[in-house]
Amino acid sequence: DSGVTQTPKHLITATGQRVTLRCSPRSGDLSVYWYQQSLDQGLQFLIQYYNGEERAKGNILERFSAQQFPDLHSELNLSSLELGDSALYFCASSVEASGRPSYNEQFFGPGTRLTVL
Amino acid sequence: TQLLEQSPQFLSIQEGENLTVYCNSSSVFSSLQWYRQEPGEGPVLLVTVVTGGEVKKLKRLTFQFGDARKDSSLHITAAQPGDTGLYLCAGLPRIRAGNNRKLIWGLGTSLAVNP
Repeated sequence: DSGVTQTPKHLITATGQRVTLRCSPRSGDLSVYWYQQSLDQGLQFLIQYYNGEERAKGNILERFSAQQFPDLHSELNLSSLELGDSALYFCASSVEASGRPSYNEQFFGPGTRLTVL
Repeated sequence: TQLLEQSPQFLSIQEGENLTVYCNSSSVFSSLQWYRQEPGEGPVLLVTVVTGGEVKKLKRLTFQFGDARKDSSLHITAAQPGDTGLYLCAGLPRIRAGNNRKLIWGLGTSLAVNP
């Protein structure tokens, strides 16, 4: 158990719909990362938040958005869903405390499997 | 574009065999991590290597960081069915624009160890 929790574990929805995925980082971790993993594209970095602010962006579509709340949990919102959005979505957290060396070691949650029909 | 190439992409071996998988790049990394991912679960961090030429051992797994910090290898001795999974490497680029600390991920080596 990594200490990172994600809900829901499975999500089945239809094209055009909007869903919200939730993540709680490990206690004390300030950074949250979102990834998409599909069979043909591997693990794709979407976005990172650090202590409530966006830190880095990857291959995140405009239809997707995320935020990190004051209690450090994060939500990933996926809208106007398409069949190709079906994938595993992972959240990860890391410490990245200021003043300490960081290798960006990440601890992953169990993922949310999204199926768009 | 910084890339990490992992090879082989797939590997199927018998229990008890030894194997080595590779993670290569033309870029220099300040550190490199190896993760193992089992089907339907999130990747789990195995090790971080930081110094060029560094060797770290985790039971039957030996990790090495290249002298130039552009590549890494993972060697498994006497593989067991429990070693089955997707092995991912991820590197933290040495040169980072601004405050960008994005890990660069390889596509992984899918290992199957047959009893």
